[in-house]
Amino acid sequence: NAGVTQTPKFRILKIGQSMTLQCTQDMNHNYMYWYRQDPGMGLKLIYYSVGAGITDKGEVPNGYNVSRSTTEDFPLRLELAAPSQTSVYFCASSYGQENEKLFFGSGTQLSVL
Amino acid sequence: AQTVTQSQPEMSVQEAETVTLSCTYDTSESDYYLFWYKQPPSRQMILVIRQEAYKQQNATENRFSVNFQKAAKSFSLKISDSQLGDAAMYFCAYRRRKGAQKLVFGQGTRLTINP
Repeated sequence: NAGVTQTPKFRILKIGQSMTLQCTQDMNHNYMYWYRQDPGMGLKLIYYSVGAGITDKGEVPNGYNVSRSTTEDFPLRLELAAPSQTSVYFCASSYGQENEKLFFGSGTQLSVL
Repeated sequence: AQTVTQSQPEMSVQEAETVTLSCTYDTSESDYYLFWYKQPPSRQMILVIRQEAYKQQNATENRFSVNFQKAAKSFSLKISDSQLGDAAMYFCAYRRRKGAQKLVFGQGTRLTINP
């Protein structure tokens, strides 16, 4: 059971470039999330999804886009990368809402130079 | 908006001793969850302990326990018999009970264990 898988693990982008961070889970979870962790800080929610075809903004959505065409996949798109997007990005998933454990991926470290 | 504050950027403790990490939060909700997560250098997010706000009894998990003071909006983590493997960043987090698991995290406390 792989859990939550994120690719790539590391990436360096130039300012203005675009990329997609991939996230997939094999636990048939309905809920999926994207968080970012800036150096020395806690995680902040970027976007989340409560099921295929449904996404919603979190605390810091600007500069990002998401889609949820399948239950398993929840890619995060960065358009026109900026140095302020240098961060570690975590994908997470859970089956339901309340008394459910949140499963985290191992993170993607992104540097924008 | 909910906020979570960890006022101790760094803490250190001797191996086998006890250490307490502090966390305060602000919310107008009455029904919520509080969490402590551990993040070792591997970057993995590991759930240490969870507290439901409607429960008066403090949660415990082996050497880890919390002191939950709902009226004071305080949620501290006590680590007993500290071990070298406890060295990590520790994050306090909050979420509303209902709805998606939109966690609000504190800034973190870096815990060092001295042998």
